[in-house]
Amino acid sequence: ETGVTQTPRHLVMGMTNKKSLKCEQHLGHNAMYWYKQSAKKPLELMFVYNFKEQTENNSVPSRFSPECPNSSHLFLHLHTLQPEDSALYLCASSQNILSTDTQYFGPGTRLTVL
Amino acid sequence: AQSVTQLDSQVPVFEEAPVELRCNYSSSVSVYLFWYVQYPNQGLQLLLKYLSGSTLVKGINGFEAEFNKSQTSFHLRKPSVHISDTAEYFCAVSGGGETSYDKVIFGPGTSLSVIP
Repeated sequence: ETGVTQTPRHLVMGMTNKKSLKCEQHLGHNAMYWYKQSAKKPLELMFVYNFKEQTENNSVPSRFSPECPNSSHLFLHLHTLQPEDSALYLCASSQNILSTDTQYFGPGTRLTVL
Repeated sequence: AQSVTQLDSQVPVFEEAPVELRCNYSSSVSVYLFWYVQYPNQGLQLLLKYLSGSTLVKGINGFEAEFNKSQTSFHLRKPSVHISDTAEYFCAVSGGGETSYDKVIFGPGTSLSVIP
């Protein structure tokens, strides 16, 4: 595997379910990100991790819970979601969290909340 | 606060014709500017970025962009498009200095459709 991978690629869940999204980067980067991409809206930054430490939580509801066990892996735990949470969730990584760093994105998980 | 405007939500263009995708930003500090492309069912991929120096930046796949500080613009251009250029294009801005962190703000995207 190369680059940034995400599993699953598609997920359908009910509002009472608990599920997790997984992201893995094979680039040796130190920073990882979660973004939400909804139709007709700009990408919304959710969380930023640098060397496994959370450096940004962009006012994300607590029903989204991130976990970063090491610099290569990032999870997003989901529980009690709402239909408006249906979106494409993108993971990204960068060498560091400097303003000049390029972010490398995974293909995303298409989430549908029923 | 920084923001990014992409005035054209959809741009249809015939194959082999030139294209320009417009991007304007607002920021009170030095900025770094990016163009990313998202092909169907894929994540975003960097096309090019402006950090400093020459205002004309060349990227992958024959794309280029010009940083215009007075007009706060960073328009993306390609002289001759191909069917494979059909994708969503995102302009993005960050700032804060070369050794500091500032989150990247993405524009809403422009959908480029290349017509055979």
